[in-house]
Amino acid sequence: DAGVTQSPTHLIKTRGQQVTLRCSPKSGHDTVSWYQQALGQGPQFIFQYYEEEERQRGNFPDRFSGHQFPNYSSELNVNALLLGDSALYLCASTYTSGYGELFFGEGSRLTVL
Amino acid sequence: QKEVEQNSGPLSVPEGAIASLNCTYSDRVSQSFFWYRQYSGKSPELIMSIYSNGDKEDGRFTAQLNKASQYVSLLIRDSQPSDSATYLCAVWDTGRRALTFGSGTRLQVQP
Repeated sequence: DAGVTQSPTHLIKTRGQQVTLRCSPKSGHDTVSWYQQALGQGPQFIFQYYEEEERQRGNFPDRFSGHQFPNYSSELNVNALLLGDSALYLCASTYTSGYGELFFGEGSRLTVL
Repeated sequence: QKEVEQNSGPLSVPEGAIASLNCTYSDRVSQSFFWYRQYSGKSPELIMSIYSNGDKEDGRFTAQLNKASQYVSLLIRDSQPSDSATYLCAVWDTGRRALTFGSGTRLQVQP
């Protein structure tokens, strides 16, 4: 049983560019959330997708957008990259009825130069 | 803003000792609490969940919850060098359907 898979694992971009990160949830999970983890900090909630719609959103600007596909996989897009966007981006999946037992992928480490 | 506070550490304990990790949270209505372990360069891994006041034991790990004091702790008995990691306390925000994490406590177990 595959867990949560994310791609790419590492990437380097320059300021102003755009990036797309991808996530496949754990088998049977229908809800995908994205978190940003800066160095030395805990993960911060970006948004959550369920039934192909953004259901909840944290305190992140509109430069951060996402999508969920019918097979429950998801993408995170970040436009107009800033140096401060450098972080580990984590995808987590769960059942919609879940209460916090999130399963995380290995993350995508983004470096913005 | 709902907050989760942890001592950043590092907390250093000798091998075989009990490691005690603490966490406080600001939202009184929180009902679900979690401990995640994160090795350097890796993603968080769920190790314990607790929903009711009192203790919950799983192997060498014991989670303790005191809702009146808004306090959660994790005890690791017979600490091993492989337990060296950052431990993240997380609280489920029912309104946002999201976890609010503390910044983590770095644990070092000395052989």
